[in-house]
Amino acid sequence: SQQGEEDPQALSIQEGENATMNCSYKTSINNLQWYRQNSGRGLVHLILIRSNEREKHSGRLRVTLDTSKKSSSLLITASRAADTASYFCATDRPGGSYIPTFGRGTSLIVHP
Amino acid sequence: DAGVTQSPTHLIKTRGQQVTLRCSPKSGHDTVSWYQQALGQGPQFIFQYYEEEERQRGNFPDRFSGHQFPNYSSELNVNALLLGDSALYLCASSELPQLHEEQFFGPGTRLTVL
Repeated sequence: SQQGEEDPQALSIQEGENATMNCSYKTSINNLQWYRQNSGRGLVHLILIRSNEREKHSGRLRVTLDTSKKSSSLLITASRAADTASYFCATDRPGGSYIPTFGRGTSLIVHP
Repeated sequence: DAGVTQSPTHLIKTRGQQVTLRCSPKSGHDTVSWYQQALGQGPQFIFQYYEEEERQRGNFPDRFSGHQFPNYSSELNVNALLLGDSALYLCASSELPQLHEEQFFGPGTRLTVL
């Protein structure tokens, strides 16, 4: 079973628009990570947010974490065609071995 | 500074055969993890190697085994291949064995089982 689930499954926007994707998880976590994957290649780490943090920024990326709702969001501002990719959240499970669990991802298409 | 490298890029095998995939971690990293990513799914953790030992394992059968060499490179072996083993196999390396820290992924090996 998957710990994190991204929503929506697919998102199609125009260049310059903002893209928001969400991740919900089931059990408490120590941290949550967002990754990007271009066309079936390796994953690129974007941001790690810890359970005691509420918001983090990295360039055009903004990640929020709401532990009370067990959810996180990734916002990409002023999107570019190069942002076209699949985006995954990965959560760990505390209280033992930290095995990262990925959701199915959000497929983002940014039209030029 | 070379990132994580994997070989081969693509591989086609027949059911029942055995396969070995290889991974070289990013310079300075001593921990290697392997993931299986089926089409349309997120990566699933197979196992992690640190100090030449398997440290953690996901929910995969014993047909999946691995090895880490003194130079930190790693191999993933899959025996008695099934059609369902067709997937992208990703290797990730990190400085620390704690999986909740940042990992750097290789480009993957696409395995097709016929």
